[in-house]
Amino acid sequence: AQKITQTQPGMFVQEKEAVTLDCTYDTSDQSYGLFWYKQPSSGEMIFLIYQGSYDEQNATEGRYSLNFQKARKSANLVISASQLGDSAMYFCAMRVGTGRRALTFGSGTRLQVQP
Amino acid sequence: GAVVSQHPSRVICKSGTSVKIECRSLDFQATTMFWYRQFPKQSLMLMATSNEGSKATYEQGVEKDKFLINHASLTLSTLTVTSAHPEDSSFYICSAPGTKKPITDTQYFGPGTRLTVL
Repeated sequence: AQKITQTQPGMFVQEKEAVTLDCTYDTSDQSYGLFWYKQPSSGEMIFLIYQGSYDEQNATEGRYSLNFQKARKSANLVISASQLGDSAMYFCAMRVGTGRRALTFGSGTRLQVQP
Repeated sequence: GAVVSQHPSRVICKSGTSVKIECRSLDFQATTMFWYRQFPKQSLMLMATSNEGSKATYEQGVEKDKFLINHASLTLSTLTVTSAHPEDSSFYICSAPGTKKPITDTQYFGPGTRLTVL
């Protein structure tokens, strides 16, 4: 069975600073994908970044980067230059195997950006 | 990009009534869709996998007779909460896997449906 662990229930960061949200995962499969989603108070799930298990380079998407350490089974999200609009819940998720599979989500981290 | 819609976005109903939630893929075909449930301040939990033209697959602990899923076409899956009770009040979100490269394993989420059972 697969599991995603997010150990930070809440995080604070000053505007314009960088912040790292932790995520560790557990799976025995060699093929998997790791996702980060942002969920504002409206409830919509906003896709941020994706990392495949065979990707050798860390994924980056604008201000978001994923620090993928395969041996440690961690996939931390780094948000650079935080903005007030980044305040939201952030979920790490994993898809195990290939094909059309559902995601397993972590418990989430609530990020609050302070001016 | 690919879009998934859900209707209604919010519904309030009386205990004992049934509620239908629609999930549509707007510009792509989805042979598989997923239904998640999210209780307040909690994470998303997979309820069931909806397969076009065949029976849905339910996760352990999810009553298939209570949460009826129909995937009648390549763009529409419906979730019907039958005889709803207050404990069914939750945020229901559907998703559909995409097929567009370079990210071949994308997941497109609907905006969610907030169900409140009085």
